[in-house]
Amino acid sequence: DQQVKQNSPSLSVQEGRISILNCDYTNSMFDYFLWYKKYPAEGPTFLISISSIKDKNEDGRFTVFLNKSAKHLSLHIVPSQPGDSAVYFCAANSNSGYALNFGKGTSLLVTP
Amino acid sequence: DAGITQSPRHKVTETGTPVTLRCHQTENHRYMYWYRQDPGHGLRLIHYSYGVKDTDKGEVSDGYSVSRSKTEDFLLTLESATSSQTSVYFCATQGFEYEQYFGPGTRLTVT
Repeated sequence: DQQVKQNSPSLSVQEGRISILNCDYTNSMFDYFLWYKKYPAEGPTFLISISSIKDKNEDGRFTVFLNKSAKHLSLHIVPSQPGDSAVYFCAANSNSGYALNFGKGTSLLVTP
Repeated sequence: DAGITQSPRHKVTETGTPVTLRCHQTENHRYMYWYRQDPGHGLRLIHYSYGVKDTDKGEVSDGYSVSRSKTEDFLLTLESATSSQTSVYFCATQGFEYEQYFGPGTRLTVT
């Protein structure tokens, strides 16, 4: 069963606006969450992460919010730029496991 | 970015032939991973390694084997390739925290 879910396959946002990508998880043992960005024909690139002891982590235009009670996290990109157009993967891990559990990805298109 | 290379980058092979994909890292990371990416499935773990000669199975390990004889190299072998193994394969290493760094991928087509 998919333990990390990204229910929106695609999202279109105008340049300069906020992009919000959502992710839900089912395993309460997950304690570390990551977002990856992937361009076509390239490997995923690590973007930002958050530990379960925090509810927010910010890095430049990118902010990740974690709501543990709802088992939900989101990635905010402000302001969105055309170069942000890519597939974004949410991933999660627990300190008892080695591997990351990935969602299926959300394709973001930022239009000029 | 971590220095991760994959070879070959593209390969077309016939059903039933063995195939080996190579991952090479220059970061001296202990943990290494092989994933496959397919439409509608995201990234799924095939095998991983937690040290030289220490490997374990992931979610979709059937039909695959791995070997790690030295820290920098992690090999993925398809013993007898099938059309269902047509995919894009990514190697990754793990950094200080849980973040993983990915190679550029190998696109494998089994005809």
